[in-house]
Amino acid sequence: GIQVEQSPPDLILQEGANSTLRCNFSDSVNNLQWFHQNPWGQLINLFYIPSGTKQNGRLSATTVATERYSLLYISSSQTTDSGVYFCAVERESSNTGKLIFGQGTTLQVKP
Amino acid sequence: EAGVAQSPRYKIIEKRQSVAFWCNPISGHATLYWYQQILGQGPKLLIQFQNNGVVDDSQLPKDRFSAERLKGVDSTLKIQPAKLEDSAVYLCASSLGMGVYSGANVLTFGAGSRLTVL
Repeated sequence: GIQVEQSPPDLILQEGANSTLRCNFSDSVNNLQWFHQNPWGQLINLFYIPSGTKQNGRLSATTVATERYSLLYISSSQTTDSGVYFCAVERESSNTGKLIFGQGTTLQVKP
Repeated sequence: EAGVAQSPRYKIIEKRQSVAFWCNPISGHATLYWYQQILGQGPKLLIQFQNNGVVDDSQLPKDRFSAERLKGVDSTLKIQPAKLEDSAVYLCASSLGMGVYSGANVLTFGAGSRLTVL
């Protein structure tokens, strides 16, 4: 099956710093989503981004499908950004909406 | 718009007992997913429904897990008998549906049901 690798596994930042999270995948995809899991366990969808670039406030994401990676940028980080960030992908041949999740990047933002 | 509702939020049982989790998706969402998330790992798909039909249950341990979505709306996931390794958070998610348009597969998750098996 498709492999999804996220890096770094852990990240500690001071409030106000910027960061880049990376997601590599081993096969062509037609669906890629980024999620934030807050410390209470709720998964929030951040981006649906199978290709191209999107921005939402301090967050932006870029997917280069031909090179099989996606990046999530967090600017001017806040303590509320803490939690686990997951990348999830669906193989291009699937078209069922079945997402395979990476292991996540755990982010801690210190005040 | 109401989100994805799940219950119970927490459940503690002894091994070999049974447990059931309930999920009500966002109104109008045809596709419903059950994911299992073990501590420190990403969610893993157990079963996917499109309306009341099963799309994918390839990773569902069918000797102990069962799920149904009889009227194409809410769903129940059951574990019987439970094992220690079933301790996890069971997440329900929904989406508009397969192939409606490219963004129709955006998933919305519920808060999850945390199971502890002793």
